[in-house]
Amino acid sequence: SQQGEEDPQALSIQEGENATMNCSYKTSINNLQWYRQNSGRGLVHLILIRSNEREKHSGRLRVTLDTSKKSSSLLITASRAADTASYFCATGLRNTDKLIFGTGTRLQVFP
Amino acid sequence: NAGVMQNPRHLVRRRGQEARLRCSPMKGHSHVYWYRQLPEEGLKFMVYLQKENIIDESGMPKERFSAEFPKEGPSILRIQQVVRGDSAAYFCASSPRQTGGLGETQYFGPGTRLLVL
Repeated sequence: SQQGEEDPQALSIQEGENATMNCSYKTSINNLQWYRQNSGRGLVHLILIRSNEREKHSGRLRVTLDTSKKSSSLLITASRAADTASYFCATGLRNTDKLIFGTGTRLQVFP
Repeated sequence: NAGVMQNPRHLVRRRGQEARLRCSPMKGHSHVYWYRQLPEEGLKFMVYLQKENIIDESGMPKERFSAEFPKEGPSILRIQQVVRGDSAAYFCASSPRQTGGLGETQYFGPGTRLLVL
């Protein structure tokens, strides 16, 4: 079954606003990763957070992980039109090397 | 250092034909993963290979689909007797070593978009 479920499915905001996307998963994980996909393109890795970490920052990105609630959030601050894309969480499970992807959040940032 | 290369980028096949998708991992990467993405959905794992070995094929359909990663050359995902339901984007990713246990990043190619008429 799908490991990651993302919320919301779609999000529209104005440039300069913050965008928050959430991801929930079902089983124990080793790490959780966020990827970005522009329409019709491949995936770009954004950030990886390990199961023993609670928060991580990379530029305008902030990721949190709550293993007790089996959830993660991705915050994009001061959004730009160029941030328009689909964002996927992917979980790395223990004892396996495959990634389990969520359904994605489609973010649209209006100039 | 070139990224993960996939070809063709677009492939059109008629029902019953064969589709061969190629993936060249990043230089120095010996682990290859194939994922399938249906329209408006996330990626679904298909198969994980190391050179000359299939490590995990739990996401591969039992029939018509096969994958290989020979000692020399790219990894190949082969779909025999394609049906319309095979229409999707197929992504390849590579990593230098195991990821799940160590939390390494997988680097994705641009994908091959297969359309079955």
